[in-house]
Amino acid sequence: DAGVIQSPRHEVTEMGQEVTLRCKPISGHDYLFWYRQTMMRGLELLIYFNNNVPIDDSGMPEDRFSAKMPNASFSTLKIQPSEPRDSAVYFCASTSSGSWNTDTQYFGPGTRLTVL
Amino acid sequence: AQSVTQLGSHVSVSEGALVLLRCNYSSSVPPYLFWYVQYPNQGLQLLLKYTSAATLVKGINGFEAEFKKSETSFHLTKPSAHMSDAAEYFCAVSDRLGGSQGNLIFGKGTKLSVKP
Repeated sequence: DAGVIQSPRHEVTEMGQEVTLRCKPISGHDYLFWYRQTMMRGLELLIYFNNNVPIDDSGMPEDRFSAKMPNASFSTLKIQPSEPRDSAVYFCASTSSGSWNTDTQYFGPGTRLTVL
Repeated sequence: AQSVTQLGSHVSVSEGALVLLRCNYSSSVPPYLFWYVQYPNQGLQLLLKYTSAATLVKGINGFEAEFKKSETSFHLTKPSAHMSDAAEYFCAVSDRLGGSQGNLIFGKGTKLSVKP
């Protein structure tokens, strides 16, 4: 299995630009999570999906952030417009409800976003 | 609400010495607890997990953790540190109120350095 795939691995953009981060979960997993990691705030859950439906987006910082999951094998996290304070590493993770009682999440390698 | 506290943001040990990384949790229900490791420029990888079975849990790379309900602790140990153990370690608790698939609530992380 290829694991969780994220693209791009690195993104440098200018303030005000739109940024789209992409994630392909492990095949067969029905939960998908987006996290943000910064030195100041550590690892924060932004949003998670179950069967492509957003379940909890209370961690999304503001309306500039949006996430979609059009099908079971693809999700996007969009920031529009981007700001320097959005600079962070964004992780995608997935898990299967078949193992719901163990809650193990499998993480992608992350996208390092730098907003100038 | 569930939470975890990791004592010490940075721990330094000599190669061959005991590794002890501390984690205390707060949970209103019997917790599921996890330790993840993050190597530089990589995503998080599961080390081990406690899911109400044996209180002493063995994980990968020689790590183990003991669940102590009376102390609300889940400390991570390894008898003999190796240079390759240098990484950041995260303790997490599953937010599984109502028995549904839970989110992972992560601690701030402890960066482990191993001196030759």
